[in-house]
Amino acid sequence: GAGVSQSPSNKVTEKGKDVELRCDPISGHTALYWYRQSLGQGLEFLIYFQGNSAPDKSGLPSDRFSAERTGGSVSTLTIQRTQQEDSAVYLCASSEGADPSSYEQYFGPGTRLTVT
Amino acid sequence: DQQVKQNSPSLSVQEGRISILNCDYTNSMFDYFLWYKKYPAEGPTFLISISSIKDKNEDGRFTVFLNKSAKHLSLHIVPSQPGDSAVYFCAAGGGSEKLVFGKGTKLTVNP
Repeated sequence: GAGVSQSPSNKVTEKGKDVELRCDPISGHTALYWYRQSLGQGLEFLIYFQGNSAPDKSGLPSDRFSAERTGGSVSTLTIQRTQQEDSAVYLCASSEGADPSSYEQYFGPGTRLTVT
Repeated sequence: DQQVKQNSPSLSVQEGRISILNCDYTNSMFDYFLWYKKYPAEGPTFLISISSIKDKNEDGRFTVFLNKSAKHLSLHIVPSQPGDSAVYFCAAGGGSEKLVFGKGTKLTVNP
């Protein structure tokens, strides 16, 4: 079956512009996560959606970052007024269950964002 | 402060030999641990996991060992193959804790 997909695969934007990154999770997966991987760093948690519950936004680095998940499926991560330090690979993952530590997460290929 | 640490950014081994990747954690609430493998330009893929009720889990050439008292886990790959060359991430979670990932170890298996 189809895995997690993300678009675009690459995005180059000018400093100060807004960007939207899209994630299509695996059908039926109730949990969706966004991570960021900066050069030489590990996977930095950004935000977590589980069903209809309020999202866990504790990892968002600033109020320029926001995300929504429509209809419990597709998610969009928005970065407003992009800065050069936002340059990274943004990864989306989904999993079957509610407990983020007990269910294998399936990752998309990522969106490489470059802010010039 | 990093809760999950992979102190070796890289590791190089010969084909056929054992690869040992190490991971240390600090949060005693963690009770579930996973290893992910990542090739360039791809997302991480799940490799193997272990819960805190076990000290070993084996899947083919891959074995994960957990030492709870030392807050240490390791991934053994034997025999190593060139196709195993990738970045390996350790992750830990448990209870109300989200999965926390380490910075990864780049494994190179030389033919």
